[in-house]
Amino acid sequence: EIVLTQSPGTLSLSPGERATLSCRASQSVSSSYLAWYQQKPGQAPRLLIYSASSRATGIPDRFSGSGSGTDFTLTISRLEPEDFAVYYCQQYGSSPQTFGQGTKVEIK
Amino acid sequence: QVQLQESGPGLVKPSQTLSLTCTVSGGSFSSGDYYWSWIRQPPGKGLEWIGYISYSGSTYYNPSLKSRVTISLGPSKNQFSLKLTSVTAADTAVYFCARADYMDVWGKGTTVTVSS
Repeated sequence: EIVLTQSPGTLSLSPGERATLSCRASQSVSSSYLAWYQQKPGQAPRLLIYSASSRATGIPDRFSGSGSGTDFTLTISRLEPEDFAVYYCQQYGSSPQTFGQGTKVEIK
Repeated sequence: QVQLQESGPGLVKPSQTLSLTCTVSGGSFSSGDYYWSWIRQPPGKGLEWIGYISYSGSTYYNPSLKSRVTISLGPSKNQFSLKLTSVTAADTAVYFCARADYMDVWGKGTTVTVSS
């Protein structure tokens, strides 16, 4: 099983700032099958990025994903008020699919 | 557009079987292009993949739950179901269904509490 470790656990930033979230895998993620999700309280997760760097439909271009192998990054170029949430990475290249433990982006 | 909706009992007694259904509306279920997943989230915790099923009925389960989980097609042609046997309090969670592999469409989730 591939273990995904996200860092930091919590990111305290102000609107307009840049957010950089990390997701490190315990072994190489096959074909960069790595996705990122945003989850707000009481809601289902929302897909932001798939295949490490492809934005999902309707996702603003301030969200970008990068990385390969074992190291992946989600960048939010300028935080909007609606971006404060919990973010999860997920690998779907190997079974079982696994999620990271999440990074909370909170308002400073 | 495709929408998913979970349904089933919100309260299950310990040692009994949890049964949920996901209804897919708006197309794509019968296209054969997707897998259909179950994911859960215990209160205040992260996401756990339970397993998924293809339109042809092929299933893949999380080994940590494999001995207790069954995902199947039906009961109606645009539905798929989850059964989890011998539940304990540790199975208390919000259960989501989603279109896989990367999960681009999710249901809103349904809360299942295991308690006597």
